[in-house]
Amino acid sequence: AQKITQTQPGMFVQEKEAVTLDCTYDTSDQSYGLFWYKQPSSGEMIFLIYQGSYDEQNATEGRYSLNFQKARKSANLVISASQLGDSAMYFCAMRGNFGNEKLTFGTGTRLTIIP
Amino acid sequence: DTEVTQTPKHLVMGMTNKKSLKCEQHMGHRAMYWYKQKAKKPPELMFVYSYEKLSINESVPSRFSPECPNSSLLNLHLHALQPEDSALYLCASSQVNRGNGYTFGSGTRLTVV
Repeated sequence: AQKITQTQPGMFVQEKEAVTLDCTYDTSDQSYGLFWYKQPSSGEMIFLIYQGSYDEQNATEGRYSLNFQKARKSANLVISASQLGDSAMYFCAMRGNFGNEKLTFGTGTRLTIIP
Repeated sequence: DTEVTQTPKHLVMGMTNKKSLKCEQHMGHRAMYWYKQKAKKPPELMFVYSYEKLSINESVPSRFSPECPNSSLLNLHLHALQPEDSALYLCASSQVNRGNGYTFGSGTRLTVV
C-alpha cells in the first residue's frame, strides 16, 4: 500500500517569493513514481513535474523543481518566483511498481499568492 | 493531440435518472481511469481499465457502471444515484507500464438532486 502525506493544508506567500510545498510518502515498492499536480478552482488537474524513484537528479520543469530525498521519503515541490496565477490547490501523488497503475493522492495544499 | 476530453462539463440529475459520463483520448494510452473528487478532498480512484479490460474496481457501488468500448473511449454509466454522489468526476489516461505521465480531463461536475 502507498501513502502520501501533505502536512500543509494552506499556505500564503508573497508574490515573487519562492515557496516549498511538503510531501512525504511511504511505500514498500522498490520502483515508484512521484508527481505534483496543480488544481485551479476550475477543477482540471494540471501535471507539473515527475520524479522516478531511480532518477538520480532532481526533476526540474521551468519554475518548478522537485527536491527528492529518497532516504527521508520526501518529495517537496519548490516553486521559484511565485506568480498570482500559481494560486491553486497542489496535490502530491504516487504510483507504485509498474503493473500497478493506481495513482494515490495526498490531501493537498491550498496555495494563495499575495500581491 | 495531448488532451483528455470529458463530456458533459456539468450534469444535474435526479435520483431516478440514468445518465452517462464520457471520456475520450487520442494519445494512444491503453490505461484509463475514473476518479471521484468531493469538495476540498483529493481525488479517489474508482476504476482502472488496462487494454480495455477492467483491472481495478475500488469497491464502487453498482449504481456506477464503467465501460471501455475501445482504446480511446471510457464511459461511466450512472443509475439511481444518491445526493452524496454529487462530486467532480475526473477521467485520466496513461501508458501502461510506463507510468510517468497521467493526463487528466477537466472533469464533469455532477449534482444529484
